[in-house]
Amino acid sequence: KAGVTQTPRYLIKTRGQQVTLSCSPISGHRSVSWYQQTPGQGLQFLFEYFSETQRNKGNFPGRFSGRQFSNSRSEMNVSTLELGDSALYLCASSLGDSTNVARELFFGEGSRLTVL
Amino acid sequence: ILNVEQSPQSLHVQEGDSTNFTCSFPSSNFYALHWYRWETAKSPEALFVMTLNGDEKKKGRISATLNTKEGYSYLYIKGSQPEDSATYLCASDNQAGTALIFGKGTTLSVSS
Repeated sequence: KAGVTQTPRYLIKTRGQQVTLSCSPISGHRSVSWYQQTPGQGLQFLFEYFSETQRNKGNFPGRFSGRQFSNSRSEMNVSTLELGDSALYLCASSLGDSTNVARELFFGEGSRLTVL
Repeated sequence: ILNVEQSPQSLHVQEGDSTNFTCSFPSSNFYALHWYRWETAKSPEALFVMTLNGDEKKKGRISATLNTKEGYSYLYIKGSQPEDSATYLCASDNQAGTALIFGKGTTLSVSS
């Protein structure tokens, strides 16, 4: 069973540019969550998509957006990049229904973004 | 707003030592508590998902306990091995349908 796949794994951008990151969840998983990790911080929740709808949203500015497609694949976009956006962005999938077992997250290896 | 705290932030032990870390979380609206292990250059992987007060779960040399009334969970590693070196994350799930909120993690380093 294939795991969660994130692309690209590494990327370098300059301030003001935008970036799109992709996440393919485990087959059968309908929920995809995105987290940002920066040095000294825990995993900061960005948003969660379930069945193509944003179900939860973290406390990030509107420059951060996402979407989910009918095959459950998800993308997140960051516009007008700032130096502080340099981070590891992790995607996690789950079955997505309300039972606690179903909420167990399966993570990808992340996309490391560097903003110069 | 949930606030999940983990301590210590990091620790270094010798092979064979036993160790434990703490996760504290808001006890109101508790739904589940997750533990994940995150090894360097890999993805975080789930260790335990716990829901019941007083619950204890075990996987090999690793075990965890849960106190939902006072809002804390302990993770124990018996006889630490170098391969246990990782960051251990806990995450609080305060009710069905909301996002998991993670602590900053405890980074364990085990020397042989």
